[in-house]
Parts: sequence; structure tokens; C-alpha cells
Amino acid sequence: EADIYQTPRYLVIGTGKKITLECSQTMGHDKMYWYQQDPGMELHLIHYSYGVNSTEKGDLSSESTVSRIRTEHFPLTLESARPSHTSQYLCASSEVGSRYTFGSGTRLTVV
Amino acid sequence: AQSVTQLGSHVSVSEGALVLLRCNYSSSVPPYLFWYVQYPNQGLQLLLKYTTGATLVKGINGFEAEFKKSETSFHLTKPSAHMSDAAEYFCAVSDGNTGKLIFGQGTTLQVKP
Repeated sequence: EADIYQTPRYLVIGTGKKITLECSQTMGHDKMYWYQQDPGMELHLIHYSYGVNSTEKGDLSSESTVSRIRTEHFPLTLESARPSHTSQYLCASSEVGSRYTFGSGTRLTVV
Repeated sequence: AQSVTQLGSHVSVSEGALVLLRCNYSSSVPPYLFWYVQYPNQGLQLLLKYTTGATLVKGINGFEAEFKKSETSFHLTKPSAHMSDAAEYFCAVSDGNTGKLIFGQGTTLQVKP
């Protein structure tokens, strides 16, 4: 049973729309991450957080933004979606010792 | 800086054959190493990890990996492939401090009947 939840699983949206991808975890982990994965490609870290009110940009530049108001919640927002944002977005959280738990991902398509 | 290279983006084996997925890393600090598996339309699942101690690590589903510092490698093996092993496999490295994972490009494993 998953302890980290991402919604929606699939999203098809028009160009210019604002979207928020939800990620919640029930494990009390302080560290949370967002990864972007294009089909057949490696995962790239786009955002991470070490706790409430802590957010940092990852290794891959992204036009998205994140917030961490509550420990369990780490939403990702795109103010104006574009076709170049089409990708899979994976949320993860971790505990001490770097054991990660990943969500099932959100597959975003911008048309 | 840390990096991971997975040799072979696509590996095909017959059912019952040995599975060998290659991973080489670079790290300026003692690495934590991981293998993850991703089944179609699902998130990532941890197969196994190496942090310290025994260099041969056993994971789930009969997989194991050996940390070889001299070769900077962490290859994943399974003695006998099963059809259900067909998936995407990712090797990853972390420095154990920041907790950030750096992933390799991934290897697609195909298992033929």
C-alpha cells in the first residue's frame, strides 16, 4: 500500500492553463522531492524540500514552482502550461539514510 | 559532483537466463548506491541499496548487486530471469548527506519466452 500519493495520475490540459500536481505522504518524512522523467529518459531532480518552508531548485531547471506549508504536502504548480511541459512527474520522500519512497507519478500532457 | 552511467539502454534476455545490468558511478565521497525498478505506468520501487558494510547486497525478487570500489561499479544481477522482471531499471547514487539522488539513464529489460 502506497504511503505517498500523487494526483492526478493522468492529466491532459490545454496550453496556458494553470495546473497543480498534488503530492502527499503519510510517513512524516522531512525530505521531499519532485523528479521529471521524459519517456525512455532518466529522472531529473527539479525541486526538493528539507522541511516546512524549505524549497530548493533541483539540478534541472524548471518553470514550475513548489510550496511546503505542511510536512505531508508538497504540491507542484505550473502557472501557464506549455507543450514542452509534457512529461511524467514523480514525487518522492525520504527518511534518514536516504531510503526513498516514490509516488506513482503524474503523466502530464499539454496540448 | 556525482554521476551515474548505465551501460546499455536496452537489454534482452531469455526466460531463465542470467540478468546483468551494468552501472558505474563517480563520486568524490563514499557513495550510497541504489537500484530501482519501474513497471509500466507505475512509480519507482526500491530493489536494493548499498550504504556501508557488506559489498554484496541482496534485494527483492531475487536480485543482488555488488559494490566494487576499485571498479566504481554496482552491477545488478539475477541468476534466472522471469517474464515478470521485464521493466525499466534505474541505478542511482547519493552522497548520504543531502539525500539527493542522481539517477542513471535507465535500462529497459526485455525477457523473451
